Amino acid sequence: GDSVTQMEGPVTLSEEAFLTINCTYTATGYPSLFWYVQYPGEGLQLLLKATKADDKGSNKGFEATYRKETTSFHLEKGSVQVSDSAVYFCALTKGQGGSEKLVFGKGTKLTVNP
Amino acid sequence: GAGVSQSPRYKVAKRGQDVALRCDPISGHVSLFWYQQALGQGPEFLTYFQNEAQLDKSGLPSDRFFAERPEGSVSTLKIQRTQQEDSAVYLCASSKRSSEKLFFGSGTQLSVL
Repeated sequence: GDSVTQMEGPVTLSEEAFLTINCTYTATGYPSLFWYVQYPGEGLQLLLKATKADDKGSNKGFEATYRKETTSFHLEKGSVQVSDSAVYFCALTKGQGGSEKLVFGKGTKLTVNP
Repeated sequence: GAGVSQSPRYKVAKRGQDVALRCDPISGHVSLFWYQQALGQGPEFLTYFQNEAQLDKSGLPSDRFFAERPEGSVSTLKIQRTQQEDSAVYLCASSKRSSEKLFFGSGTQLSVL
């Protein structure tokens, strides 16, 4: 079945460091890819998405490019802030039959220290 | 405006008890999903509603799990005869229409002792 694998955490960085969180997927067809973020005590929020190969999703300084040849969707940010501390989830959806159910990775906890 | 609201925020149940978890989606949202998130894991799909119709229940782990959305708005996830392995955070999400942006609630944390 479809699956998402993301790098194990936790990840601890200093403020202004460069961030990469790796994500690869296994799916038939052409899934849409997402990054969700879960801040402490809050619900999951969509961070960015890409719906087809070579698309780049971006938001709040974060970017990820849909790479079909490597089945990857790595999350990057050039300069992290303390406020970026959260758990990040990579996910995909196939959207068959009008049901956009998401398949999530296990999550990567990011802590950014001042 | 109000987001997706879930209640209770925390629920402790003794093994064998029945529980009911409530989800109030954003007003007017047609699509509603339930997910189960075990500790240290990503959310896993349980079931999907479009209005009052349950279109996909393939993720429900056993027949002890039952979900309903009788009037196409509020949804209830019921777990009968709870087991320790049911301990998890149960997330509800809604969207205006299928394939549109999903909004998640903060979840109900269920602990079965």
